[in-house]
Amino acid sequence: AQTVTQSQPEMSVQEAETVTLSCTYDTSESDYYLFWYKQPPSRQMILVIRQEAYKQQNATENRFSVNFQKAAKSFSLKISDSQLGDAAMYFCAYSHGDYTGANSKLTFGKGITLSVRP
Amino acid sequence: ETGVTQTPRHLVMGMTNKKSLKCEQHLGHNAMYWYKQSAKKPLELMFVYNFKEQTENNSVPSRFSPECPNSSHLFLHLHTLQPEDSALYLCASSSSGTGSYEQYFGPGTRLTVT
Repeated sequence: AQTVTQSQPEMSVQEAETVTLSCTYDTSESDYYLFWYKQPPSRQMILVIRQEAYKQQNATENRFSVNFQKAAKSFSLKISDSQLGDAAMYFCAYSHGDYTGANSKLTFGKGITLSVRP
Repeated sequence: ETGVTQTPRHLVMGMTNKKSLKCEQHLGHNAMYWYKQSAKKPLELMFVYNFKEQTENNSVPSRFSPECPNSSHLFLHLHTLQPEDSALYLCASSSSGTGSYEQYFGPGTRLTVT
C-alpha cells in the first residue's frame, strides 16, 4: 500500500522569504503522480502543483516549485516570495491511476500548517 | 471556485436524524469521490464512483449511504450517526480518459452530530 508522510505538522515563514515543505512517500509502482494541495482557512482544497513520476524535470507554477527525488521518494514544495495569502494547510498526495485516469485515488499525507508572518 | 459545489455548508444533526449531503460538479468529469476530514488525521477516502458506478467503498459503516444518479451529482445519505462522525466531508471529482489524475474539491460540509 502507498503511504505519504509529512513529518512537520507546522511551519512558519516571514513574508517575502522562501520556505520548503517536506514530503516523502512509499510505493512499489514506477508510474505515478504526486500533488501538493492547499487548503486555506475557507476550507476549499486547491491544487497547487502536480508532478508526473516519469518526468525528470521538476514542476514549477509561478512562485511554487517542487524538488522531486524519485530514488529517495521525496517530493518537497518550495514557496518563493511568500505572501500572506499562502497561509494554509498544505497536503502532499500520491496517485497511481490506471492508464485511463479512472479511479485516480489520492493518498494524502497528514498535512502541514503554514503560517506567514508579516 | 473549483467547479465543485456542496450543500449544505454546515449541518448539525442528532443521532436519530436522517439527512443528506449534496455534491455537484460542473467540470464534465465522470469520477466523483467522498472524503472525510477529521482534525489531526489524513483525509480518508470513503467512496468512489466512476461513470455512476460505485468502484470503491473503504469499509465505510452502513450509516453512510452514497448515491450517484449521474456523473454530475453525488449524494451522501446519513442516518443514525455517532458523535465521532462529526467532521468535514469533502466531495471531489476527476476526469478519466485524459490521463489527468488530479481531483477538484468542493468546499465541504461541516457536520456536527449531537
